[in-house]
Amino acid sequence: QSVLTQPPSASGTPGQRVTISCSGSSSNIGSNTVNWYQQLPGTAPKLLIYSNNQRPSGVPDRFSGSKSGTSASLAISGLQSEDEADYYCAAWDDSLNRGVFGGGTKLTVL
Amino acid sequence: QVQLVESGGGLVKPGGSLRLSCAASGFTFSDYYMSWIRQAPGKGLEWVSYISSSSSYTNYADSVKGRFTISRDNAKNSLYLQMNSLRAEDTAVYYCARDRRWNDPYFDYWGQGTLVTVSS
Repeated sequence: QSVLTQPPSASGTPGQRVTISCSGSSSNIGSNTVNWYQQLPGTAPKLLIYSNNQRPSGVPDRFSGSKSGTSASLAISGLQSEDEADYYCAAWDDSLNRGVFGGGTKLTVL
Repeated sequence: QVQLVESGGGLVKPGGSLRLSCAASGFTFSDYYMSWIRQAPGKGLEWVSYISSSSSYTNYADSVKGRFTISRDNAKNSLYLQMNSLRAEDTAVYYCARDRRWNDPYFDYWGQGTLVTVSS
């Protein structure tokens, strides 16, 4: 049972816009920033979004992040086949005094 | 370019020990916090431990506290994870990652991972 809650799966067709949610609590998302990671099959995770909505250099602007209260979202617009991957949200939890991840969302491009 | 290369994984019996290493290059290792994150087969990511740039502060997940020890050698640009009293549930790919901010799982570079299998 992950501290942050994500839907286990999401899907979309090429060109579509997809959002992935991440729900937490006042001790994590509610009081700290959220980061998102993309894990392509068989590879290590890669930083996708940091500080709620910032993209590292090299990450396409098709990827965007937002946060409101104790929830965060990752949006992917202009969906492409290479976006098929697992996506994880992460935040610091003040009560647990450690970093926590969501359970991950498997994105399928139909 | 930044590179993190883990090593030391393998098959170990329950109750056994293993020491993982992570060789860093392409950046000033001593300037950064570092973390270990693991991923059990077919499961999600779990933060394991982190260490401050000067080793003055460490933190551990409850699941490994008292059994695992994180350390670093800035002169050798290396990060370590000593794992003792290993259990079947410690079976996972272990990643080292560069941590950009204290108390924030903001990992901008990851290694390729090393597989630890705990089984009799």
